[in-house]
Amino acid sequence: DTGVSQDPRHKITKRGQNVTFRCDPISEHNRLYWYRQTLGQGPEFLTYFQNEAQLEKSRLLSDRFSAERPKGSFSTLEIQRTEQGDSAMYLCASSWTGDRNEQYFGPGTRLTVT
Amino acid sequence: AQRVTQPEKLLSVFKGAPVELKCNYSYSGSPELFWYVQYSRQRLQLLLRHISRESIKGFTADLNKGETSFHLKKPFAQEEDSAMYYCALRSGAGSYQLTFGKGTKLSVIP
Repeated sequence: DTGVSQDPRHKITKRGQNVTFRCDPISEHNRLYWYRQTLGQGPEFLTYFQNEAQLEKSRLLSDRFSAERPKGSFSTLEIQRTEQGDSAMYLCASSWTGDRNEQYFGPGTRLTVT
Repeated sequence: AQRVTQPEKLLSVFKGAPVELKCNYSYSGSPELFWYVQYSRQRLQLLLRHISRESIKGFTADLNKGETSFHLKKPFAQEEDSAMYYCALRSGAGSYQLTFGKGTKLSVIP
């Protein structure tokens, strides 16, 4: 499968714990995006990378959230001191500058904070 | 700030009937509009975008700047069209983030 992959697919954690998610984009894509989706809502933008540079961040991305893309390939999203309100589906997408910016989505990581 | 509104959470139609999924947006500039679809147990995928002006799986959508709408239409619904549909907006101007509506669940009744 050459699509966007995310790991893990499911994560259950206790409030106050830290969690880290990984996203592997389509190999030739230089842009990578993180979104969060809660029940009954559409995806909400969190942050965006072009190569290794983080170019856009939503105000939804509190200081407990940090994202990296150190070598311009895979990305990680870390949530520190998780809260119950962080329970959501975390989606990763990637795109290529020459493809009219069509964003290809991964399957998501479902986080449950107990 | 941009906003996308999909007024219907659920839309049920009979097979063979016309379908219209509504999408309205608010943005002062010239946005780029998209429709994404999510079939059961599958990932979100692009259905169509307004700049392409193409028909995908029989669906079309026209950007109406006067009414700030981008409704998705299909003349004859098929059972395989049952899915969750999201309208999304990209503001352009150097921004690549998508702003999504809350989605409409389309159910096609056989």
